[in-house]
Amino acid sequence: AQSVSQHNHHVILSEAASLELGCNYSYGGTVNLFWYVQYPGQHLQLLLKYFSGDPLVKGIKGFEAEFIKSKFSFNLRKPSVQWSDTAEYFCAVYGGSQGNLIFGKGTKLSVKP
Amino acid sequence: GAGVSQSPSNKVTEKGKDVELRCDPISGHTALYWYRQSLGQGLEFLIYFQGNSAPDKSGLPSDRFSAERTGGSVSTLTIQRTQQEDSAVYLCASSFIAGGTDTQYFGPGTRLTVL
Repeated sequence: AQSVSQHNHHVILSEAASLELGCNYSYGGTVNLFWYVQYPGQHLQLLLKYFSGDPLVKGIKGFEAEFIKSKFSFNLRKPSVQWSDTAEYFCAVYGGSQGNLIFGKGTKLSVKP
Repeated sequence: GAGVSQSPSNKVTEKGKDVELRCDPISGHTALYWYRQSLGQGLEFLIYFQGNSAPDKSGLPSDRFSAERTGGSVSTLTIQRTQQEDSAVYLCASSFIAGGTDTQYFGPGTRLTVL
């Protein structure tokens, strides 16, 4: 069965620092990959998604992710974080027959002003 | 509607009581999903509807859980004889069509606390 691993449980950064959050998935075939964000007190929102084509995907709020098939990875990056990026970030992969997403356990990002 | 809505936003119940959680998807979305978000467990898929039909109910954690969808719109997740381990945030999502290429839009969730 497909699974998703997020390596970091909690990341603490200062403003303007660069961010990279790791995500690895288990299935080696065609994959649809997503990053969602949950700001404090808000619902899950889509940051970006990858289906095919250019492996470097740009999303909202300056985030990007790179799909590396050989590494089964889809890491999220941002060159310079802001305090407003404080949130929990979830990597997900399309699970298949039921149309459901399979989520990683999430990475909590705290940005110090 | 503008987004996925869920009600109630919070529900506190006593162990053994039944609860009903409601989801109102985005208008025109044919696919509807229920997930559960527990501390330390991440997001767990429960059940999916295409129209009014749920092809596979094996993701439901026990036979105390059931779900239905009527009119291709509103869905209700029912938990009978609630247990403390049912405490979690129950999330609903909808998409225009089922399948990995369509974005799932999430509601704000219902936080269920079983005392």
